[in-house]
Amino acid sequence: RKEVEQDPGPFNVPEGATVAFNCTYSNSASQSFFWYRQDCRKEPKLLMSVYSSGNEDGRFTAQLNRASQYISLLIRDSKLSDSATYLCVAVRASGGSYIPTFGRGTSLIVHP
Amino acid sequence: SQTIHQWPATLVQPVGSPLSLECTVEGTSNPNLYWYRQAAGRGLQLLFYSVGIGQISSEVPQNLSASRPQDRQFILSSKKLLLSDSGFYLCAWSPVTGKSYNEQFFGPGTRLTVL
Repeated sequence: RKEVEQDPGPFNVPEGATVAFNCTYSNSASQSFFWYRQDCRKEPKLLMSVYSSGNEDGRFTAQLNRASQYISLLIRDSKLSDSATYLCVAVRASGGSYIPTFGRGTSLIVHP
Repeated sequence: SQTIHQWPATLVQPVGSPLSLECTVEGTSNPNLYWYRQAAGRGLQLLFYSVGIGQISSEVPQNLSASRPQDRQFILSSKKLLLSDSGFYLCAWSPVTGKSYNEQFFGPGTRLTVL
């Protein structure tokens, strides 16, 4: 079983739609969680951290469920520019450092 | 503000040749540094991380090595490249803040093709 699993998609949605991605993690020692966005042939860029109480940043909402070991990302009012691959990350502490494990990513295509 | 540089941007190397990729960070001190590889159509695989000068930890056994000769310099090397070393190599840094949320910031990456 992969340590961090995501549905690879692609999720193909029209502009204005609401879309949700889930991500599960297997290591219960994971302490912090993030969502990254990666455009084709570019480096990943931090989208948002995921807090235990859930957090929102504009059209984006992230949730964490520690009991079930999954995190989610909700995108409202999708824009064409939201088309990208979304990576979830679970971070565990190890020997004074923080070791991130990335999922393979979920592809989102927003069409007119 | 902090910036992270990687070079070269692209590289084509023959099998069996050596490799040296460099990453430097500006605008921060004593960052945690990371090397990742992303093979075509696959996820990010953590190769090495470093919490300080000369301190390197490897996540997976492989044909590669890493070094951190200076606080903000991280180098990825190989003595003899394999075909399977092809991929998108990404360097990342994260601040050491004492809190558990340590976001990572990525460099632009090096696209390596081994022929």
